[in-house]
Amino acid sequence: DQQVKQNSPSLSVQEGRISILNCDYTNSMFDYFLWYKKYPAEGPTFLISISSIKDKNEDGRFTVFLNKSAKHLSLHIVPSQPGDSAVYFCAASARGTSYGKLTFGQGTILTVHP
Amino acid sequence: KAGVTQTPRYLIKTRGQQVTLSCSPISGHRSVSWYQQTPGQGLQFLFEYFSETQRNKGNFPGRFSGRQFSNSRSEMNVSTLELGDSALYLCASSLQGVSGNTIYFGEGSWLTVV
Repeated sequence: DQQVKQNSPSLSVQEGRISILNCDYTNSMFDYFLWYKKYPAEGPTFLISISSIKDKNEDGRFTVFLNKSAKHLSLHIVPSQPGDSAVYFCAASARGTSYGKLTFGQGTILTVHP
Repeated sequence: KAGVTQTPRYLIKTRGQQVTLSCSPISGHRSVSWYQQTPGQGLQFLFEYFSETQRNKGNFPGRFSGRQFSNSRSEMNVSTLELGDSALYLCASSLQGVSGNTIYFGEGSWLTVV
């Protein structure tokens, strides 16, 4: 049962343009969402998060949007840079007793071309 | 502020052996969780420790175990290694390990079972 889904395995974008990465979830108990960037053989690096009480959170070039009714979130990167090329994971945690547990999507490979 | 530190970074073991991986969380963080990343299964939650107690456990066999010490450092152990245990093992830490806490990851320990 894939509770967090990233339906696009890969995304290719031109430098300077916007990158939009999408994530869907099914568990209505999820109330905190995080995006991580990952290079091969390294640990995920935290990018940005959003609580379910908000619908938008910005941090520099990164903005995360949450649509609770659609159980959908997206990460916008503007402007995209070649250094942004990596695998991006969406993750969610649930209120209640899911202590320290993140449920991850399968990841989206972002390639930013110069 | 030092990040999450994992040792060793790389190791090769033979089937049937056991392995112990170590993790030092970010200073002040009391929750430590472990994840396994494989190409086929993605990032999967193993277990989480808080104040030396396991609070949450993922769907892994009993060969996978862990513990946490009074200084919040943690170890995980895999006994009777199988080829399928070859993976990147990631340790993560957060302040309290509750939803809303950002979870930070270490660089990971690459385990190859031959």
